[in-house]
Amino acid sequence: TQLLEQSPQFLSIQEGENLTVYCNSSSVFSSLQWYRQEPGEGPVLLVTVVTGGEVKKLKRLTFQFGDARKDSSLHITAAQPGDTGLYLCAGERWDTGNQFYFGTGTSLTVIP
Amino acid sequence: NAGVTQTPKFRVLKTGQSMTLLCAQDMNHEYMYWYRQDPGMGLRLIHYSVGEGTTAKGEVPDGYNVSRLKKQNFLLGLESAAPSQTSVYFCASRRGGARRLVDEQFFGPGTRLTVL
Repeated sequence: TQLLEQSPQFLSIQEGENLTVYCNSSSVFSSLQWYRQEPGEGPVLLVTVVTGGEVKKLKRLTFQFGDARKDSSLHITAAQPGDTGLYLCAGERWDTGNQFYFGTGTSLTVIP
Repeated sequence: NAGVTQTPKFRVLKTGQSMTLLCAQDMNHEYMYWYRQDPGMGLRLIHYSVGEGTTAKGEVPDGYNVSRLKKQNFLLGLESAAPSQTSVYFCASRRGGARRLVDEQFFGPGTRLTVL
């Protein structure tokens, strides 16, 4: 079983719509990162959140870390075709030697 | 500055064959990781290293071995490949060292391995 569960697994929306991706766990993380991955490439970091309740914005993307540092969400406003990709959350746990645990991934398709 | 590079990009093996995947980074990073990515599973950590000469097991280490003889290189070995090891393998590195709250992992482009 995965330590981090993401939902939904697949999402297909029209350009201009809003969406939210969730990343949930029963474990506490010291930090949580969101990555985006294009086909045939490695993941690229979007953001890192470290404080419970923290909210970070990156243009049309808003990231939130849960108060208890067990969950996170990614909200995209007015999605564009360029947002298409695989979104991955990754939590770091210091008690396991600075390992990152990746979520199951959300594949987003934005239709023009 | 090439970042993280992986060799080879593609490989097809027969069951029982062995091979080594090479990861190289030119950013002087302390930590290096090997992940495998399978559909619907995200990335799972195989082995990692927190410095030259050190290695540790991740979530799914069985069937793999690693070595970090030089700081810039991290090798992943499959001694006797099995069809269950068909996957895309990613190497990553990060600065590491003392506890760093904001520390990005830089990923290589991946190696697509098929075991028949």
